[in-house]
Amino acid sequence: NAGVMQNPRHLVRRRGQEARLRCSPMKGHSHVYWYRQLPEEGLKFMVYLQKENIIDESGMPKERFSAEFPKEGPSILRIQQVVRGDSAAYFCASSPSRGGGAYEQYFGPGTRLTVT
Amino acid sequence: AQTVTQSQPEMSVQEAETVTLSCTYDTSESDYYLFWYKQPPSRQMILVIRQEAYKQQNATENRFSVNFQKAAKSFSLKISDSQLGDAAMYFCALYPGNTPLVFGKGTRLSVIA
Repeated sequence: NAGVMQNPRHLVRRRGQEARLRCSPMKGHSHVYWYRQLPEEGLKFMVYLQKENIIDESGMPKERFSAEFPKEGPSILRIQQVVRGDSAAYFCASSPSRGGGAYEQYFGPGTRLTVT
Repeated sequence: AQTVTQSQPEMSVQEAETVTLSCTYDTSESDYYLFWYKQPPSRQMILVIRQEAYKQQNATENRFSVNFQKAAKSFSLKISDSQLGDAAMYFCALYPGNTPLVFGKGTRLSVIA
């Protein structure tokens, strides 16, 4: 059973460009979480999605950031018009479909975004 | 609000010795989970150990064990017989139920040969 997959592992963007980060959850998982880790910090929650639904986006910046988890395909975290402050590691986690399993979050290897 | 505090930014331990990493938390929930994650230089988040708040018995996983003090809201991690491969960032995390994981800022552990 493959783990949570994220790609790309490293992404370099110039200021003003768009960044798209992809996350494929573990097989059988339909809950996806995105976290951001700034240098020397812990992970901070951004958004929680189920298939075709955003459940909780309380940690997502109001502008430039969006996330989706379509019926088919990976979850996408999209950052428009990136700025240097967006440079961070972005982690995706998935949890089982059954109720109450949200504490069982399995993490992907992360995408390190560098904005130049 | 849910918070997790790790008061030790850095710790070091001699190989084969024992080290304890501290974590305190705050939540108004009565049922919750606590975790320790290890993040080596590869940045992969690796679950080390998990504790359910309703269980009084402290969790153990091989050389890793916790001291869970529910009344004091304390959740420390003890690493016995430390190995070079234990060197990493360690994050304490809280799952208060129906909300996302809340992480502390981490403790960087160095293991001295």
